[in-house]
Amino acid sequence: SYELTQPPSVSVSPGQTARITCSGDALPDQYVYWYQQKRGQAPVLLISKDTERPSGIPERFSGSTSGTTVTLTISGVRAEDEADYYCRSTDINNNYKVFGGGTRLTVL
Amino acid sequence: QIQLVQSGGEVKEPGASVKVSCKVSGYPFTSFGISWVRQAPGRGLEWLGWISPHIGDTKYIEKIQDRLILTTDTSTSTAYMEMTSLTSDDTAVYYCVRDGVLFTATIDTDYWGQGTPVTVSS
Repeated sequence: SYELTQPPSVSVSPGQTARITCSGDALPDQYVYWYQQKRGQAPVLLISKDTERPSGIPERFSGSTSGTTVTLTISGVRAEDEADYYCRSTDINNNYKVFGGGTRLTVL
Repeated sequence: QIQLVQSGGEVKEPGASVKVSCKVSGYPFTSFGISWVRQAPGRGLEWLGWISPHIGDTKYIEKIQDRLILTTDTSTSTAYMEMTSLTSDDTAVYYCVRDGVLFTATIDTDYWGQGTPVTVSS
């Protein structure tokens, strides 16, 4: 079955830039959505359709894409950004959706 | 105000079934689909399936498609997820999520229910 690959963890100091990648063979043809999940809470959509920020999401969150890899960039990381981040996309035949394994962002 | 309100937590024995409800308000129920997502303790998110209240179309992940039944009641704007033949591996928090009215439809934003904990234990 189709899988999306994320690094298990990323660590940055406050004020630095964090980059979280998501890789999958179908990503050139399917959109990616990025979610932030803080402990004990439901996920929140940060980025839709690879690069679009829903209303209310801070500008320091951005998405980019290059071939089979998409990247979530968090500029000027704050302590409050410490959370788990997930990418989500769809298989190439549009039969099911899939989440990446998640990346834990630690703010040092 | 858009809300998805799920039913309360459940404790089930192995082999039993569970049915979780998701009552929607604040938008036309048939204008969007509903996906179901679960998260086992300490684990990541897992997409389970999708249903369109408008056309009744469904999609499921292959590994549980014979145990998962998604339905909707348009008269009460409620979506249901029923899972049969439960095992301890099904212990998780189950979420309903507003999604596209067509499976291939893109979304600009989504809304999540509060989550329903389901515990499978003897």
